[in-house]
Amino acid sequence: TQLLEQSPQFLSIQEGENLTVYCNSSSVFSSLQWYRQEPGEGPVLLVTVVTGGEVKKLKRLTFQFGDARKDSSLHITAAQPGDTGLYLCAASTGEYGNKLVFGAGTILRVKS
Amino acid sequence: DAGVTQSPTHLIKTRGQQVTLRCSPKSGHDTVSWYQQALGQGPQFIFQYYEEEERQRGNFPDRFSGHQFPNYSSELNVNALLLGDSALYLCASSLDAGSSYEQYFGPGTRLTVT
Repeated sequence: TQLLEQSPQFLSIQEGENLTVYCNSSSVFSSLQWYRQEPGEGPVLLVTVVTGGEVKKLKRLTFQFGDARKDSSLHITAAQPGDTGLYLCAASTGEYGNKLVFGAGTILRVKS
Repeated sequence: DAGVTQSPTHLIKTRGQQVTLRCSPKSGHDTVSWYQQALGQGPQFIFQYYEEEERQRGNFPDRFSGHQFPNYSSELNVNALLLGDSALYLCASSLDAGSSYEQYFGPGTRLTVT
């Protein structure tokens, strides 16, 4: 059973459309991170959210941490082909808090 | 400011062989974690090294071992390779004193076992 469930698994949209990716769990986390990964590369950290209800914006990307710190969402406004990639959410767990548990990821394809 | 570096980029091995992968952390970081990412999946935590000792371990067999050196660089060793060990191996570095648990990943080593 996945500790973190991401949905959808795959998303193919036209340039200019909006989209939301979800990351859900039944567990409470001290922090949650979003990464973007391109084929053959390592994940690149986009944002870390630590406070329940927190909203962070990174240009056209908006990240939200649920009030109960069990879920998170990533919203992209006016998607561009350069947004194409694998989006991963990861939660901090473990005795020292810096063991990451990842969701399976959402593959986003933005067509021009 | 150098980010996380890994070597080699690609590696092809035969079943039963042994492999060593290397990682240099981001400047200023003291903690190194290793992850295995199979095709189409998210990374899976293997173990973490801090102060030259293994501090946390995921659900991986003892065939997977590691080491951290005084300069914080790290090695991942896998013995008796199986076909299922084929994956992208990622190294991530972080600062133990950091409060946000942010980890920075290297480009990975693509291991193919034939």
